[in-house]
Amino acid sequence: AQKVTQAQTEISVVEKEDVTLDCVYETRDTTYYLFWYKQPPSGELVFLIRRNSFDEQNEISGRYSWNFQKSTSSFNFTITASQVVDSAVYFCALSDYGGSQGNLIFGKGTKLSVKP
Amino acid sequence: DTEVTQTPKHLVMGMTNKKSLKCEQHMGHRAMYWYKQKAKKPPELMFVYSYEKLSINESVPSRFSPECPNSSLLNLHLHALQPEDSALYLCASSQGNRASGANVLTFGAGSRLTVL
Repeated sequence: AQKVTQAQTEISVVEKEDVTLDCVYETRDTTYYLFWYKQPPSGELVFLIRRNSFDEQNEISGRYSWNFQKSTSSFNFTITASQVVDSAVYFCALSDYGGSQGNLIFGKGTKLSVKP
Repeated sequence: DTEVTQTPKHLVMGMTNKKSLKCEQHMGHRAMYWYKQKAKKPPELMFVYSYEKLSINESVPSRFSPECPNSSLLNLHLHALQPEDSALYLCASSQGNRASGANVLTFGAGSRLTVL
């Protein structure tokens, strides 16, 4: 069975602190995709990153970075020098490689609060 | 501004009412989705339309009736809902082909539904 676990329900940090959001997944597929989405209070889910299971290179995009480790089935997300605008719920998600359309398996989400 | 537009943003209805949620995208995407999200929970897939045909129905009760009039529009018709159907209803779209693996979904801001 496929499963995504985000053990951190809520995290609170002060602006400019670094913060890491954990994501651990389970799948029997050898090929799959992992995603991170951000959901601000406005409600829409904003796509942040998609990573396929073949590519274990870490990725950096501005203040955001992702650490994918197949050996530990983890796909962690780090925000460097956090800002108040980063406050949101962050979802990690898993999809099979064939892309069973829309069938994203979401974790329960981590609510990040960044205080000024 | 989001590229997937949902109306109305908020809807309050009684259990005997008939109402509809609307979703529109102009990105040329050929797959469109309805997700349901209860408070403090991850989104759950309800329906998928691929090339205007219903391809996935995740055992959703018949009081929810989807419709895809054309490739840009997606409706969700609501009838005889229950208070437990109160939730944020998210529409999403994606390219709809599997050539590049799991598609990235673009979400709208959602329609917040309250059933009295």
